[in-house]
Amino acid sequence: DTGVSQNPRHKITKRGQNVTFRCDPISEHNRLYWYRQTLGQGPEFLTYFQNEAQLEKSRLLSDRFSAERPKGSFSTLEIQRTEQGDSAMYLCASSRVGGGNEKLFFGSGTQLSVL
Amino acid sequence: DQQVKQNSPSLSVQEGRISILNCDYTNSMFDYFLWYKKYPAEGPTFLISISSIKDKNEDGRFTVFLNKSAKHLSLHIVPSQPGDSAVYFCAASAGAQKLVFGQGTRLTINP
Repeated sequence: DTGVSQNPRHKITKRGQNVTFRCDPISEHNRLYWYRQTLGQGPEFLTYFQNEAQLEKSRLLSDRFSAERPKGSFSTLEIQRTEQGDSAMYLCASSRVGGGNEKLFFGSGTQLSVL
Repeated sequence: DQQVKQNSPSLSVQEGRISILNCDYTNSMFDYFLWYKKYPAEGPTFLISISSIKDKNEDGRFTVFLNKSAKHLSLHIVPSQPGDSAVYFCAASAGAQKLVFGQGTRLTINP
């Protein structure tokens, strides 16, 4: 069990630039989640996939945000035309659905700073 | 709307004593509750959970209590140890859907 892996760990970008983050879930997990966390707040749900299907998107996910999970394996989260308000920790989590309550396993996150 | 609330941003407890962290929720559809622990620069790690069909679940030094009528859950840590110093999040879900998190409580264990 190698855990959930996120890259990069840190990203500093200038306002208006595009950024892309990657998440590799635990291999046998079929669900993958993206959350965002800002200072002093709990993780806020952004979107999730079951296999390759994107099943739900939060209203927090503006049209500048897009997430993909091709082939139901790793996922990418892209933010276009970044704004300073996008500065946050972006967390990825995975779980295995079926047969009971769901427990999410989180990666270490990608800390985004938009200057 | 904040469906899961942790009203204490911070808590300080002496080593060896009991730590009690509280969480309130508003959505009566929530049927599964979890506590996560988070160290700086790391993702949250699962600590303990409870289903709505139970009112207590124990795992070593950690016990979670659920009061459905009051829509309240608590996490008890006894005895508290310095390594327990972290931010604790409660989370809830309804029918195997996404987890909704509280704002977190920073627990500091003093030697």
